[in-house]
Amino acid sequence: QQQVKQSPQSLIVQKGGISIINCAYENTAFDYFPWYQQFPGKGPALLIAIRPDVSEKKEGRFTISFNKSAKQFSLHIMDSQPGDSATYFCAASFNTGNQFYFGTGTSLTVIP
Amino acid sequence: ETGVTQSPTHLIKTRGQQVTLRCSSQSGHNTVSWYQQALGQGPQFIFQYYREEENGRGNFPPRFSGLQFPNYSSELNVNALELDDSALYLCASSPGTRANTEAFFGQGTRLTVV
Repeated sequence: QQQVKQSPQSLIVQKGGISIINCAYENTAFDYFPWYQQFPGKGPALLIAIRPDVSEKKEGRFTISFNKSAKQFSLHIMDSQPGDSATYFCAASFNTGNQFYFGTGTSLTVIP
Repeated sequence: ETGVTQSPTHLIKTRGQQVTLRCSSQSGHNTVSWYQQALGQGPQFIFQYYREEENGRGNFPPRFSGLQFPNYSSELNVNALELDDSALYLCASSPGTRANTEAFFGQGTRLTVV
């Protein structure tokens, strides 16, 4: 059973555009929602994370929007750059620990 | 680089064999988690070790076992390999097990079972 559902599977964006990746979860006990970025041949790296008591968090060009009632959260990448081309994973964990449930990933390609 | 190193980087094994994967955690980290990432999928949690004790396990059969050493490095052992075990195996180290503690991933071990 997929605890965290992610869409789209792939995304192509023009340089300077906005990339939006969406995730949904079922278990309301999840308490921490990170986004990871993975380049080919590398392990995932933490990009940005949010707790459910906050509706939005922004770090540079990356923003998480969180809708607790809808059990959905999304990653927005503003002014997308070719260097942002990677696979992005949303994830969730319970407040009991840092064992993560990952989405299926979104392959982002930013065209110059 | 995260400071988390995994070995080997690639491995080919035959169905039915056993394999051991290794992970050196980042300095100061006492927690290691292992994940299996099938091609085109997100990582799936296998188990976590905290100060040499298992601290949680995902939905994986007992033939997946692990160990953490006093220096907090860790091993993942898989017995009776099956074709479906072919995947990228990731370890992540963290300075504890609290919910919002960042986990730092290694580059992974690509296991192919033939």
